Amino acid sequence: AQRVTQPEKLLSVFKGAPVELKCNYSYSGSPELFWYVQYSRQRLQLLLRHISRESIKGFTADLNKGETSFHLKKPFAQEEDSAMYYCALSPYSGNTGGFKTIFGAGTRLFVKA
Amino acid sequence: DTGVSQNPRHKITKRGQNVTFRCDPISEHNRLYWYRQTLGQGPEFLTYFQNEAQLEKSRLLSDRFSAERPKGSFSTLEIQRTEQGDSAMYLCASTPGGMGDISGNTIYFGEGSWLTVV
Repeated sequence: AQRVTQPEKLLSVFKGAPVELKCNYSYSGSPELFWYVQYSRQRLQLLLRHISRESIKGFTADLNKGETSFHLKKPFAQEEDSAMYYCALSPYSGNTGGFKTIFGAGTRLFVKA
Repeated sequence: DTGVSQNPRHKITKRGQNVTFRCDPISEHNRLYWYRQTLGQGPEFLTYFQNEAQLEKSRLLSDRFSAERPKGSFSTLEIQRTEQGDSAMYLCASTPGGMGDISGNTIYFGEGSWLTVV
């Protein structure tokens, strides 16, 4: 079964502290993985995707196929990082040639001043 | 604003009534998705369209739910004989990708339509 697990519902850190939001996935093929973010009163939007291998707003995420993880990290958290973060998996549906994206339950990050 | 547009944004209905939500995706986006989100949960996949073809439906989508995308542009999601358990945020999203195109897989979400069944 395809599944995304985010074990922490809430993560609270102080400004300037490192932050790591955990994500584990279950998928037998080669997944495409994403982190989406929802800031207060804004729509859900893409933060980063693993195939881009880029850093967005200081966040990075590395795909670890051995551990089936895609943890999101930032060395120094900022107050404006406070938001809801969703890890997502997009498996390829060979039968239909299309894609759907499966989301985890989300982790709320709260960065304290 | 040229993003994904959904309406109505809020709907309160009595149990047993039918409701319909509309989604206008980003222009020229081939794929359109419907998700449902309840408090404390991430978006749950309901169904998606590649142009006008409905390619996959989740088992979450009971017979009371139907979605259409008649001309491959806007989409509607209808819920018949609503139940209190249908109360949720219904999210629409679109992405540019064509069939088998993995490069256009970033999802662009609308602001959602809140449904409250009383």
